[in-house]
Order: sequence, then C-alpha cells, then structure tokens
Amino acid sequence: EAGVAQSPRYKIIEKRQSVAFWCNPISGHATLYWYQQILGQGPKLLIQFQNNGVVDDSQLPKDRFSAERLKGVDSTLKIQPAKLEDSAVYLCASSLGGNGFFGPGTRLTVL
Amino acid sequence: QKEVEQDPGPLSVPEGAIVSLNCTYSNSAFQYFMWYRQYSRKGPELLMYTYSSGNKEDGRFTAQVDKSSKYISLFIRDSQPSDSATYLCAMSEEYGGSQGNLIFGKGTKLSVKP
Repeated sequence: EAGVAQSPRYKIIEKRQSVAFWCNPISGHATLYWYQQILGQGPKLLIQFQNNGVVDDSQLPKDRFSAERLKGVDSTLKIQPAKLEDSAVYLCASSLGGNGFFGPGTRLTVL
Repeated sequence: QKEVEQDPGPLSVPEGAIVSLNCTYSNSAFQYFMWYRQYSRKGPELLMYTYSSGNKEDGRFTAQVDKSSKYISLFIRDSQPSDSATYLCAMSEEYGGSQGNLIFGKGTKLSVKP
C-alpha cells in the first residue's frame, strides 16, 4: 500500500513570497490533515478535511494560509505571503477516521 | 503551563540500555495516550497507544500511563541503534477519536550508540 505522498520535499523562499505544497493521501482515506512542525516542536494541526469539507481550521492563520481539497482526494496548502516564522516542516496525514499515517513532510525555509 | 510537557533531550545511551521516555500533562480529561517515532527527515509513525491507565507491551516497547500523576512513559528494552529517532508523545480526550484532536509533546531525541 502506497503511503502519503508530499511534494516538494524541500523549498527555500524569501519572505513575502508565495509557496504551495501538495499532498496525495492514501487511497480511500476520507480524512486529511495538514500540520506544521517547527524545529524542536511537536506537530500542530493547521486544518482537517473530511472528504472535501473542512472539519477544523481553527489554528490556520487565515490571513496568509489557505488550503483546499478538491474532489476529496489531493490537497494543496498555500502560504501567501510567507514570513520568517513560517519556516517549518509541513506534514500531511490521512486516515479512515481514527489514527492516521503521516507523509514525509515538506521542509520550508523562509529567508 | 503547556498541556503536554516532554523533555526534548537529547538523550544518548549505549546499545542494549533500557531507555525511559516521559511526558507529563495537565488536562485530567486526557484518556488516550500515544507514542510516535519520527526518524530524521520523515513523518511521525505511530508506535503504541494506550487507553486510560495501565501498561501495554509490544516487543521491546512498554507504554505506561499513570493518570493519578498525569504522567506517561515509554520504555525501550535492549535498545538498538535503529531506535535512534525522536519520540513524540500525544494525547487526546476522546478514545478512538480523530487524530486532529491529538495534542503532541515536543519530542525527545534519542541516540543509541553502538
């Protein structure tokens, strides 16, 4: 069974630029999560989708972050404009409802 | 006080040692306790989970929960270099609920030296 796929794996941008991350969940998994993991911290939930609907986006900084999950499968997370403090690993995870599986993450560096 | 506290380490032990990793928490409503292992440049993977108090064993790994002290532990027996990783505790109020409800600790970086 293929795992959660994410791309790109690494991204370096300058502050105020835009960036987008892509996630392809495990086939059949209705629930998809995006997390932010700052160096030395545990993952923090940004947004949770159930199929293509948002379940929880209470911790998503909506002034600069956006996410969508068209057709209830793939998802993209966008940051516009990026700030220095957005430097982190962005993890995608998917599940059938309970415990999920994480992807390898996208490491973002904002200079 | 953060909801979940975890000593970030780093912790370095010789191969074969018994490792003890711990987390404390403040929310007495937490009932579901999990340990994740995260290798460098990888996403976390679920190692073990327990519900309420007690012990759970899986091979060389034992998870222990003491709700009266709000303290959870992960023990690794006969540690191996392949156990070198960051170990994250996580917990939630609802058993079997959404992963989105999990509160993670900062993680403890473990290094097992051959």
